[in-house]
Amino acid sequence: GAVVSQHPSWVICKSGTSVKIECRSLDFQATTMFWYRQFPKQSLMLMATSNEGSKATYEQGVEKDKFLINHASLTLSTLTVTSAHPEDSSFYICSVEGNTEAFFGQGTRLTVV
Amino acid sequence: AQSVTQLDSHVSVSEGTPVLLRCNYSSSYSPSLFWYVQHPNKGLQLLLKYTSAATLVKGINGFEAEFKKSETSFHLTKPSAHMSDAAEYFCVVSDRNQAGTALIFGKGTTLSVSS
Repeated sequence: GAVVSQHPSWVICKSGTSVKIECRSLDFQATTMFWYRQFPKQSLMLMATSNEGSKATYEQGVEKDKFLINHASLTLSTLTVTSAHPEDSSFYICSVEGNTEAFFGQGTRLTVV
Repeated sequence: AQSVTQLDSHVSVSEGTPVLLRCNYSSSYSPSLFWYVQHPNKGLQLLLKYTSAATLVKGINGFEAEFKKSETSFHLTKPSAHMSDAAEYFCVVSDRNQAGTALIFGKGTTLSVSS
């Protein structure tokens, strides 16, 4: 199956700063990647669908200007949390759609202080 | 729209006893269903998947699940729990849109295993 690498695994940042999270598909060309967010003790919620070479599709309630997604190549999608606030602290995880299943990155734990 | 409901938020078992994690789904078409496991501060690992082949699906680590269309269920079972099975389990249904296939997650079931 596809190998998906997500970086960084952990990040702590100050309020008001921006954080970039990378999602790389190491052995699979992914025209579509997905970004999920998981709050503590809650399920994963789809944030947006990242499309190579075009704009991302955001789920209802997700601010596109706050969560900037760039999918510039078939192996890399980035999620930038802009002007981060403590309520953005969460576990962010990306996935790549394989032929019959999704493959997930290991996730990024973001803490905004 | 597709959705899944995990009927138990928390299940506690003793080591060596059977595990049952319940999941019901709602789908307007024949769904693809998955069970994922998440250990603390870790990513997601696929346990098993149903994609319209055999209704009894065997996964990793001794887990299996049975797709029952009449009951719209996809319960996860294991004959004998191990301490290492303690984790969060998610029942997931696929939702194909124009861009691709996103996954709809249930709220999760925390499995605790005591010695």
